[in-house]
Amino acid sequence: KAGVTQTPRYLIKTRGQQVTLSCSPISGHRSVSWYQQTPGQGLQFLFEYFSETQRNKGNFPGRFSGRQFSNSRSEMNVSTLELGDSALYLCASSLGITGREQYFGPGTRLTVT
Amino acid sequence: AQKVTQAQTEISVVEKEDVTLDCVYETRDTTYYLFWYKQPPSGELVFLIRRNSFDEQNEISGRYSWNFQKSTSSFNFTITASQVVDSAVYFCALSEGAAGNKLTFGGGTRVLVKP
Repeated sequence: KAGVTQTPRYLIKTRGQQVTLSCSPISGHRSVSWYQQTPGQGLQFLFEYFSETQRNKGNFPGRFSGRQFSNSRSEMNVSTLELGDSALYLCASSLGITGREQYFGPGTRLTVT
Repeated sequence: AQKVTQAQTEISVVEKEDVTLDCVYETRDTTYYLFWYKQPPSGELVFLIRRNSFDEQNEISGRYSWNFQKSTSSFNFTITASQVVDSAVYFCALSEGAAGNKLTFGGGTRVLVKP
């Protein structure tokens, strides 16, 4: 089976712009979660989707949003980018709805200038 | 609220030495799941092991083993006979039963295995 794929792999944006990141889960996985990784804050949970519904949301401002499509693919959007949004954004997919191992994609490296 | 602490920020060993990574967690849930992930320089998080709160049996899987002790809220991980390819950052993570698949990660421990 193909693993979790994320596009694009690298992105450079300017403050104030918006960005959309995409994630395709492992075939058959219906749960998709997003995480932000920065040197200062480490790995932080953004949100989780299951069957097109957001099940969980982390402590991030409303500028961060996401959605999931009927084929389980997911997108996350960050509006009005700030310098602090520069990070590695990781997507993970899981077979179950709780407590199952999650498989991560290679991430999208976002740089905000 | 849930919390995961990895007190060791960096460990350096010589190849073939054993490496033990410490992990202490906090949760109010009686049902929870513990994980170890590895992040090599490429950046992708790789799943290693998973344990649920009802199973304290410690196991060995190849060169990996873990020690889960609910009494001390610890979930330590050992790499036996380390190899250079084990060099990576290792993360301990917690998922509470009521929180879906949300993972709370520790700060990570960087392991450097020297030849």
